[in-house]
Amino acid sequence: EMQLVQSGGGLVQPGGSLRLSCAASGFNFSNNNMNWVRQAPGKGLEWISYISRSSTTIFYADSVKGRFTIYRDNAKNSLYLQMNSLRAEDTAVYYCARGWLQFDSWGQGTPVTVSS
Amino acid sequence: QSALTQPPSASGSPGQSVTISCTGTSSDVGGYKYVSWYQQHSGKAPKLIIYEVSERPSGVPDRFSGSKSGNTASLTVSGLQLEDEADYFCFSYAGSDNYLFGTGTKVTVL
Repeated sequence: EMQLVQSGGGLVQPGGSLRLSCAASGFNFSNNNMNWVRQAPGKGLEWISYISRSSTTIFYADSVKGRFTIYRDNAKNSLYLQMNSLRAEDTAVYYCARGWLQFDSWGQGTPVTVSS
Repeated sequence: QSALTQPPSASGSPGQSVTISCTGTSSDVGGYKYVSWYQQHSGKAPKLIIYEVSERPSGVPDRFSGSKSGNTASLTVSGLQLEDEADYFCFSYAGSDNYLFGTGTKVTVL
């Protein structure tokens, strides 16, 4: 069964850092493009980052460019999001999602709260 | 770029149909076939229900259908069932490294 299991969320102070992880199983992770999508409380979905299968192509939304870094370890079947210089407006549930141009599988989501 | 525009809410009785619009521009919805739709039940992760405007993933009931005309895409849910009560989001490729979600529509089954 195909699964994306997330970990790493939590409470962090403004200006702090956090790393999110997304562990894949049940499919060939190295053959799939991946993304991070977030959802602020009571709000809609926001795509924030994309990474290609071999990490050669990476995109970021303007809202996180320069602060967040997406990367993957195909040997460990894992996707990561390193979040630095966190702001209150980064408070959201973060999802990893598989695909390019559409997202056919999603992680369970992990909440990130940025507050002092 | 701004989010794609969806009506905040839509409703229908069981067995009826409801159609949700997703309005963008010629630079996103109108310019590409990469429009997808996601269903999100409260507290759950989104689920892909339509991709490439009108294609249905395996396992998605054929009560769900998608279409596009100009800069507006639409999702129709026919034969509404109680389990269809959820939030629905459209998504479109917007060229280069731009990807846009819609504002979301809450569907209520009366």
